[in-house]
Amino acid sequence: ETGVTQSPTHLIKTRGQQVTLRCSSQSGHNTVSWYQQALGQGPQFIFQYYREEENGRGNFPPRFSGLQFPNYSSELNVNALELDDSALYLCASSLQSGTYEQYFGPGTRLTVT
Amino acid sequence: AQSVSQHNHHVILSEAASLELGCNYSYGGTVNLFWYVQYPGQHLQLLLKYFSGDPLVKGIKGFEAEFIKSKFSFNLRKPSVQWSDTAEYFCAVGTNAGKSTFGDGTTLTVKP
Repeated sequence: ETGVTQSPTHLIKTRGQQVTLRCSSQSGHNTVSWYQQALGQGPQFIFQYYREEENGRGNFPPRFSGLQFPNYSSELNVNALELDDSALYLCASSLQSGTYEQYFGPGTRLTVT
Repeated sequence: AQSVSQHNHHVILSEAASLELGCNYSYGGTVNLFWYVQYPGQHLQLLLKYFSGDPLVKGIKGFEAEFIKSKFSFNLRKPSVQWSDTAEYFCAVGTNAGKSTFGDGTTLTVKP
């Protein structure tokens, strides 16, 4: 059974640029959630995708967007990067939509300069 | 809006001491409750969960948690900690609408 993988591991971008982060869900999981974790804080829910549709969104502006593909892998896109977007971005997959046991990936560390 | 409060930011214990980490949440509807753990250098992983039924739930590695609905609490306990329990612990609340809310975490350091 393959776990949740994320790419890239680390990324450095400049303010105003755009970034795409990728996530492959665990085998058999059809739901993917994205979180932002700033230093010293818990993960903050960005949104969840279930069968290619957004299914729940946290308090993040529209410049945070996502996609889920037919194989249930997912992308997180962030436009017009701001310094405060620097954080660890976590992807988690689960068997069903809603909130069930989530399996987390290692995260992508994004630094915005 | 949902919120989760973890009372202790950093807890330091000696081996064999008992552990209780506090977690309170605010949400008016039906919730699912979780404790996740992150060991140094590893991913977040599920420690235990409560969906319904017996409010005392048991997880991996001897951990347990008790859901007290009237107090909106889901405290984590372990009778005797080990050095290997050193990690960061997160309490989380989820709703069927797909949104999960995490607390800010408690760092547990166990001295050998």
